[in-house]
Amino acid sequence: GAGVSQSPSNKVTEKGKDVELRCDPISGHTALYWYRQRLGQGLEFLIYFQGNSAPDKSGLPSDRFSAERTGESVSTLTIQRTQQEDSAVYLCASSLGRTSGTYEQYFGPGTRLTVT
Amino acid sequence: AQSVAQPEDQVNVAEGNPLTVKCTYSVSGNPYLFWYVQYPNRGLQFLLKYITGDNLVKGSYGFEAEFNKSQTSFHLKKPSALVSDSALYFCAVRDRVDSNYQLIWGAGTKLIIKP
Repeated sequence: GAGVSQSPSNKVTEKGKDVELRCDPISGHTALYWYRQRLGQGLEFLIYFQGNSAPDKSGLPSDRFSAERTGESVSTLTIQRTQQEDSAVYLCASSLGRTSGTYEQYFGPGTRLTVT
Repeated sequence: AQSVAQPEDQVNVAEGNPLTVKCTYSVSGNPYLFWYVQYPNRGLQFLLKYITGDNLVKGSYGFEAEFNKSQTSFHLKKPSALVSDSALYFCAVRDRVDSNYQLIWGAGTKLIIKP
């Protein structure tokens, strides 16, 4: 079956521009996560959606970052007024969520964002 | 607070030798434990998990991990390393009693298998 997909795979943008990253989770997965991974480093949690509950935004680094998800479908991560420090790979993951009894997350290939 | 430690930034192993990538954790209750692998320029792939039951868990690509409650460890192992195992490995934990269903991630260990 189809896995988690993300688009675009690569994005180069100028400092100060806004960017929008997209994530399509696995069908039926109620939980969706966004992470940031800087070069050679670990995962930095950004935001978590669980069904129709209020998202956990505790990992968003600044108010320039926002994310939306409609129901249990596509999510978009928006970065406004991009800065060079935003350059990273942005990973999306989905999982079956609270009622499944299993918690492993399935990751997309990521979007590599470069801010020039 | 929950935490995960991967004490080695990098592990070097000769092809054909056994490999171990270490992970220790701290949770207030009982843990769910996971290993993921990230190949160059790829997303993370799920390798294996410990939920309950047998302390020795077998996963993809011949990897296994042993849950040790007394040592709060979940080390990843493979009896005979392949060059293709070279990648970045992440350990993650979730506390069973935590209503927040997120995983806490280790910083990652770079595994290099030399021919």
